[in-house]
Amino acid sequence: AQSVTQPDIHITVSEGASLELRCNYSYGATPYLFWYVQSPGQGLQLLLKYFSGDTLVQGIKGFEAEFKRSQSSFNLRKPSVHWSDAAEYFCAVGARSGGYQKVTFGTGTKLQVIP
Amino acid sequence: DTGVSQDPRHKITKRGQNVTFRCDPISEHNRLYWYRQTLGQGPEFLTYFQNEAQLEKSRLLSDRFSAERPKGSFSTLEIQRTEQGDSAMYLCASSLDGTPYNEQFFGPGTRLTVL
Repeated sequence: AQSVTQPDIHITVSEGASLELRCNYSYGATPYLFWYVQSPGQGLQLLLKYFSGDTLVQGIKGFEAEFKRSQSSFNLRKPSVHWSDAAEYFCAVGARSGGYQKVTFGTGTKLQVIP
Repeated sequence: DTGVSQDPRHKITKRGQNVTFRCDPISEHNRLYWYRQTLGQGPEFLTYFQNEAQLEKSRLLSDRFSAERPKGSFSTLEIQRTEQGDSAMYLCASSLDGTPYNEQFFGPGTRLTVL
């Protein structure tokens, strides 16, 4: 069974500073990897996804993530954070299961942005 | 409407009452998923439909929970004899078979509070 670990529960960064959110996954084969963002009271919005190809993936809102197979990691980065990026971020791993894709989420990292 | 919608957005009920939530997926999507998200956690898979067939249920889905998707369009999730532990955000997602990554698109969720 697949699993996801997001070791940072809460991160605070200054507006304009760079950001890196950590994600480690466990899965026997090549996984589908996702990062979602959730604003308070809202559903999840997909930021980016990876399955194969270039290990550096570009997403929406200026985010990118790098897949490192040797480290089982898929960390999310942004070079300059905006106040509107304050939200909760979820890393997820997807795997084929009985004909559909079973997605397992991490526990999330809450991002606070200070002026 | 181009997204997944859920109704109601908020529901407050007393312990022991029955509640029903509705999810309208993206119109051409044949797969529909229900997740539960409690405070401080990522979404956890509850159940999955392909068209009108319910193909998988998590062990989290006790016998007080029932989900339907008549005619393969909208879906309902009913909780009977609610308990305080049922308080959570219930998220619905849909996807289209055969698309890259089988990306799941999430609705805004229904927040349930059981008093």
